[in-house]
Amino acid sequence: GENVEQHPSTLSVQEGDSAVIKCTYSDSASNYFPWYKQELGKRPQLIIDIRSNVGEKKDQRIAVTLNKTAKHFSLHITETQPEDSAVYFCAARGGWDMRFGAGTRLTVKP
Amino acid sequence: EADIYQTPRYLVIGTGKKITLECSQTMGHDKMYWYQQDPGMELHLIHYSYGVNSTEKGDLSSESTVSRIRTEHFPLTLESARPSHTSQYLCASSEFGGRANEKLFFGSGTQLSVL
Repeated sequence: GENVEQHPSTLSVQEGDSAVIKCTYSDSASNYFPWYKQELGKRPQLIIDIRSNVGEKKDQRIAVTLNKTAKHFSLHITETQPEDSAVYFCAARGGWDMRFGAGTRLTVKP
Repeated sequence: EADIYQTPRYLVIGTGKKITLECSQTMGHDKMYWYQQDPGMELHLIHYSYGVNSTEKGDLSSESTVSRIRTEHFPLTLESARPSHTSQYLCASSEFGGRANEKLFFGSGTQLSVL
């Protein structure tokens, strides 16, 4: 099955700085790569996703890039704010199931 | 309001007990998942289902079973609970979009403690 690796496990940035989280996947047939944000004590929620036929997607301050050849994708958050502090998960759909990375705990210091 | 519901929210039980974690969704979704979230955050796939009478195993499926008799209901059963099962269990659902985008909606989770 699909194996997703995510780095770093923790990330601390100053408010206003950018944050980048990287993921790699193992199954070359994977075709869909979402990112979820989980705030403390809350459910994970989808924040952005990308399909395998697209190289980059943006939504306001967040963007995702995909390199199919290298089998890695990244989440970029610009102009970080304290409310961006949360755990972020990447995921990949290989076949019919959705596998998640181990998560990145992002802390944005005011 | 359409949502995905998990009960109980918290459960403390003794070793060896059989338990069932409930998950129901009123979103009309075909696909449902169970994940185990450990204290280190990682989400491990336990089981998933494409629809009624369809269930598939994930990575941590050996000690649990699921059933999908109705579209809206996807219970998870641990036949004999052990302290290693202490964790948060998250249920999720999605529209079965085949090769299209697939947004997962998560329940609030069941926090299980096995003594």
